[in-house]
Amino acid sequence: GQQLNQSPQSMFIQEGEDVSMNCTSSSIFNTWLWYKQDPGEGPVLLIALYKAGELTSNGRLTAQFGITRKDSFLNISASIPSDVGIYFCAGPSNTGKLIFGQGTTLQVKP
Amino acid sequence: DVKVTQSSRYLVKRTGEKVFLECVQDMDHENMFWYRQDPGLGLRLIYFSYDVKMKEKGDIPEGYSVSREKKERFSLILESASTNQTSMYLCASSFFHTGKTEAFFGQGTRLTVV
Repeated sequence: GQQLNQSPQSMFIQEGEDVSMNCTSSSIFNTWLWYKQDPGEGPVLLIALYKAGELTSNGRLTAQFGITRKDSFLNISASIPSDVGIYFCAGPSNTGKLIFGQGTTLQVKP
Repeated sequence: DVKVTQSSRYLVKRTGEKVFLECVQDMDHENMFWYRQDPGLGLRLIYFSYDVKMKEKGDIPEGYSVSREKKERFSLILESASTNQTSMYLCASSFFHTGKTEAFFGQGTRLTVV
C-alpha cells in the first residue's frame, strides 16, 4: 500500500538554528499536509499543499510540494523553544484514507 | 474555527470493561477517522467512516468497533478493554472538495486500561 517515509526521525538543535525535514513516497500524492503535535495534544494542521512545485509559508515555516509529487519538505527558520514537538507529513490515499509519516521529533535547546 | 471535540482527555478503565470514546465535529465533514498513537509507532488507523452508517477497517481494527449514526459524531468502542489498548486515541475529520483535502484532529484521549 501507499506509505510515507519521513526523515529524520528526531532532531536536537540549538535555538536559532534552521530545521529541515522531508517526506517521501514511492507513489504520487495530490495533496501534502504538514502537522505539528505538541506533547499530550492532538496534531494541528500547519500547511496544506495542492500543486507540484508549490511553495507555501506560514510564519517561520515553509513547505514545498515536490515536482515529482512523491515528496515534500518542511523548513523551520530561526527555531525557538516552542517549536518543540512532533511534526507529521500526511497525504490522502486513493481510497480516501489519510496516510501519515512516522513523524519527526524536534527538540530545541535554549 | 474548525472544531473536533473528543469527550474525554483522560480515561482509566478496568480490563474487560466496554469503553466508549466519543468524537464530535462541527464542520459538516463527510470523513471521520480514529487513530491510535503509541511511542515509536506513529499514527495507526483503526477505523474510518466516509458517510453516516458507513465504515471501513483501518490497519488495526481488531478489538475495536465504531458507530456513526449521525454525520457529526463518530464513536470508537472497545468491546472488552485490555491492557494492550492503553494508548493515546485521536479522532479526526476531513473534507474533500474540488481537489482539496484537509483534516483536523481532536485534542486526544489518553486511555489507561488497568
